[in-house]
Amino acid sequence: GENVEQHPSTLSVQEGDSAVIKCTYSDSASNYFPWYKQELGKGPQLIIDIRSNVGEKKDQRIAVTLNKTAKHFSLHITETQPEDSAVYFCAARGQTGANNLFFGTGTRLTVIP
Amino acid sequence: DSGVTQTPKHLITATGQRVTLRCSPRSGDLSVYWYQQSLDQGLQFLIQYYNGEERAKGNILERFSAQQFPDLHSELNLSSLELGDSALYFCASSADPALKGNTIYFGEGSWLTVV
Repeated sequence: GENVEQHPSTLSVQEGDSAVIKCTYSDSASNYFPWYKQELGKGPQLIIDIRSNVGEKKDQRIAVTLNKTAKHFSLHITETQPEDSAVYFCAARGQTGANNLFFGTGTRLTVIP
Repeated sequence: DSGVTQTPKHLITATGQRVTLRCSPRSGDLSVYWYQQSLDQGLQFLIQYYNGEERAKGNILERFSAQQFPDLHSELNLSSLELGDSALYFCASSADPALKGNTIYFGEGSWLTVV
């Protein structure tokens, strides 16, 4: 099955700085890569996603890049704010048709005011 | 609010017991997924149902079972509970997997504590 690795496990940045979280995946057939944000006591919430036919996608302060050859993808958050503090999970979709996601182990981001 | 509803939100039970977690997917979503989140394991995929049929199976123990009913709600049954089963159990849903833009939406989870 798919194996997703995520780094770093914790990340602290000053407010206004950028944060980068990196993930690698093992299954070259994976074609969908979402990122979820999980706040304390809540369920994961989709913040951005990218499909394998696209190299980069941006939504305001959040961007995701995908390198299919190297099988890695990254989340970039610019101009970080205290409300960005949360646990972020990357994921990769498994076999076509099933649509189930395999998650990385999460990154706890702390934005220091 | 994702539109996925899970009950109960919290549950405390003893080892050896059996519990049932319930999930109502977003309106119109045909697929339901169950995930387990524990401190040392992250989010682990358990099982997926699509329109009442099992679609994919992950790391689900034999002591656990699930089903999706004709009204599309789903239940996850956990039996012979052990201390290590204490975790947050998430239900998620999505529309027809064959459609593009098939986002998976998560509920708020059910906290299970086994004592």
